[in-house]
Amino acid sequence: EAGVAQSPRYKIIEKRQSVAFWCNPISGHATLYWYQQILGQGPKLLIQFQNNGVVDDSQLPKDRFSAERLKGVDSTLKIQPAKLEDSAVYLCASSLESRGADTQYFGPGTRLTVL
Amino acid sequence: QKEVEQDPGPLSVPEGAIVSLNCTYSNSAFQYFMWYRQYSRKGPELLMYTYSSGNKEDGRFTAQVDKSSKYISLFIRDSQPSDSATYLCAMRKTGANNLFFGTGTRLTVIP
Repeated sequence: EAGVAQSPRYKIIEKRQSVAFWCNPISGHATLYWYQQILGQGPKLLIQFQNNGVVDDSQLPKDRFSAERLKGVDSTLKIQPAKLEDSAVYLCASSLESRGADTQYFGPGTRLTVL
Repeated sequence: QKEVEQDPGPLSVPEGAIVSLNCTYSNSAFQYFMWYRQYSRKGPELLMYTYSSGNKEDGRFTAQVDKSSKYISLFIRDSQPSDSATYLCAMRKTGANNLFFGTGTRLTVIP
């Protein structure tokens, strides 16, 4: 079974530029998550989708971050404009369902460096 | 105060040692407790999962949850160099999906 795919794996941009990340979840997984992992910290949830609807985006900085999940499969996360403090690894995860003891499977992440 | 606290280490042990990793938490609503292992440049992978209090064993790994003390532990017996990774504790509330992670403990097992 193929895992969660993410691209690009690495991205370097200058502050105030825009950037987009892509995620393809495990086939059949209804729930998709984007996490931000700053160096030396645990992942922090940014947004959760159930199919193509948003379940939780309470920690998403909506003035600069946006995300969409068209057709309930792939998802993109965009930052515009980027700030220095956005340097982090952006992890995408997916799970079969959205409640209870469901396991979240993580992709390898996109490492973003903002100069 | 963070909801989940974890000693970031780093922790270095000789091969074959018993490793103890711990987290504390402040929110009594957490019911599901997990340990993830994250190798360098990789995403976290689920290692152990426990619901509410108690112990769970899987091979060389044992997870313990003490809800009265708001304390969870992961024990690794007969540690191997391949166990060298960052170990993240995570937890969530019933009916919710948001995982609250600790900062991770970086473990190195020396051959």
